[in-house]
Amino acid sequence: SQTIHQWPATLVQPVGSPLSLECTVEGTSNPNLYWYRQAAGRGLQLLFYSVGIGQISSEVPQNLSASRPQDRQFILSSKKLLLSDSGFYLCAWSVGRADGYTFGSGTRLTVV
Amino acid sequence: AQSVSQHNHHVILSEAASLELGCNYSYGGTVNLFWYVQYPGQHLQLLLKYFSGDPLVKGIKGFEAEFIKSKFSFNLRKPSVQWSDTAEYFCAVFFNQAGTALIFGKGTTLSVSS
Repeated sequence: SQTIHQWPATLVQPVGSPLSLECTVEGTSNPNLYWYRQAAGRGLQLLFYSVGIGQISSEVPQNLSASRPQDRQFILSSKKLLLSDSGFYLCAWSVGRADGYTFGSGTRLTVV
Repeated sequence: AQSVSQHNHHVILSEAASLELGCNYSYGGTVNLFWYVQYPGQHLQLLLKYFSGDPLVKGIKGFEAEFIKSKFSFNLRKPSVQWSDTAEYFCAVFFNQAGTALIFGKGTTLSVSS
């Protein structure tokens, strides 16, 4: 069966430090991969999605970037974190972009 | 721009009460519709989905939703809620003509008292 792993679960980082959040999917090939940010009362905001290795689409311009170095690995990065980058980051995968998504357990990022 | 609206931010009900959570989306041609639930401390889980066919969709745990095309709505219902239904509920839409990924509403927090 397919599983999605996301780590770390929580992270506290100082302003100006770099960020790397990792997401991997097992049990499927060529998944569509997504990064969302969830904020209280604001729902889920799509940050990036990828339909294949090296193919990244950005939905919201900001201080973050994403990469897909392998078929089932999706990485969210920042060179220098801002206070406003604090939030709950969710990775998800799907077979097709119009299908239901399966979400990871999320990373709670606090920038101090 | 495509958008999804959930009318209620926080709903408080007693056990056995009926539930209806509203969801509307902006016009954008054909859509795929979803309801997700997030129980306290748990992952987002898919409750139900609609792609085509019978506009009344049944999901897990006794939930159902009705797609009304003329109203651009996909409301979630449950005849009798339980304390264990306390959670946050998200409506999500994929706009087939110009969609990139699921667009989510802001969510509705449901609190059920026993």
